[in-house]
Amino acid sequence: GAGVSQSPSNKVTEKGKDVELRCDPISGHTALYWYRQSLGQGLEFLIYFQGNSAPDKSGLPSDRFSAERTGGSVSTLTIQRTQQEDSAVYLCASSLDWQGALNSPLHFGNGTRLTVT
Amino acid sequence: AQTVTQSQPEMSVQEAETVTLSCTYDTSESDYYLFWYKQPPSRQMILVIRQEAYKQQNATENRFSVNFQKAAKSFSLKISDSQLGDAAMYFCAYIDLTGANNLFFGTGTRLTVIP
Repeated sequence: GAGVSQSPSNKVTEKGKDVELRCDPISGHTALYWYRQSLGQGLEFLIYFQGNSAPDKSGLPSDRFSAERTGGSVSTLTIQRTQQEDSAVYLCASSLDWQGALNSPLHFGNGTRLTVT
Repeated sequence: AQTVTQSQPEMSVQEAETVTLSCTYDTSESDYYLFWYKQPPSRQMILVIRQEAYKQQNATENRFSVNFQKAAKSFSLKISDSQLGDAAMYFCAYIDLTGANNLFFGTGTRLTVIP
């Protein structure tokens, strides 16, 4: 089937606006991750969903960032009152195994490039 | 806290030659997994190779192999017979068995393959 799908692929927004980034994981994948990749930086962990368990939000950089995963499938990452430092590529990944990436490889989407002007 | 360090921001290799990308990590755990991911310009992350820490034998996948030195906390990637399609960003990553299932990434190495 299809891989992990992210939309939009590119988003330009004005400082102070809210944005929503969407991730459609591979069907049947119970684990879902959001990462942020800034220019010249590695992947910064944001949030992790595993099935119906409470998400691991320890990577969210501020309370302007939030994420939901409805019905254990589609996830939305919301950034409120965007700032220029939020500009980055936001990557979503999913994996099959209940232990997340431990026993099965992560499947990444192509990311959303967010530019805050 | 776990950290993954890639000290080579950029590397280049002549086509058909061999190149080694470095990665070190810091952890107090004894059971963990290490990965190398490839990210071409499409931004899609592709799993290249995986190493379980409890295994002494170095993982290999065709032209890709690792040199895993657990005591030194080193996990380098060797690409043999480099091809133009190998040009990409390469990320080293770590995950342990604490249950957090958080995959930590390094900052990446950009590999250029020279024809």
